[in-house]
Amino acid sequence: IAGITQAPTSQILAAGRRMTLRCTQDMRHNAMYWYRQDLGLGLRLIHYSNTAGTTGKGEVPDGYSVSRANTDDFPLTLASAVPSQTSVYFCASSDSTGAGYTFGSGTRLTVV
Amino acid sequence: GDSVTQMEGPVTLSEEAFLTINCTYTATGYPSLFWYVQYPGEGLQLLLKATKADDKGSNKGFEATYRKETTSFHLEKGSVQVSDSAVYFCALSDNTGFQKLVFGTGTRLLVSP
Repeated sequence: IAGITQAPTSQILAAGRRMTLRCTQDMRHNAMYWYRQDLGLGLRLIHYSNTAGTTGKGEVPDGYSVSRANTDDFPLTLASAVPSQTSVYFCASSDSTGAGYTFGSGTRLTVV
Repeated sequence: GDSVTQMEGPVTLSEEAFLTINCTYTATGYPSLFWYVQYPGEGLQLLLKATKADDKGSNKGFEATYRKETTSFHLEKGSVQVSDSAVYFCALSDNTGFQKLVFGTGTRLLVSP
């Protein structure tokens, strides 16, 4: 089934630990995105990638890094987690025109 | 920068009532406008969209019209069902190449039988 797979579904993480959230798409979309969803704030863009090998910063990039080694995968890394990074993280992808914008089912991360 | 403002929730309605969720935006240029729906425990699904002024997006009985003069994109449905209970997000895309979405804060809709 075409779409976006995120892993893990949920995670409890000790503060200071490193964590990578995985995202894989099978639609051959050029563009991929990471958003975080917080109550009362909606979704905010963390990082994006227009094509393999390129990435860019979104609205709230601090404390996060991404890589785009190939078209399908777009992992998000928290180098040293802090409690304010407790959130639900959504990966998304689209083609270069924005058509077919698709979201994954999310990763719920709790940093304690 | 670009921004989206939508009405605070929750919106509580009885089944078959009329729904309006207000959304206004601020953007330079001519953005595309979207409504997304999020059911409990799920990701976001595109509900409808409009790409230029006066366009009307529609899907599953929901409608929204792109009003450039009032910078609005209000979501409406004539008769809501219990299954419409969800969180609704208004969003815009600036169409400058990267299709980054700017979201409103979301409005929770609760429909009772």
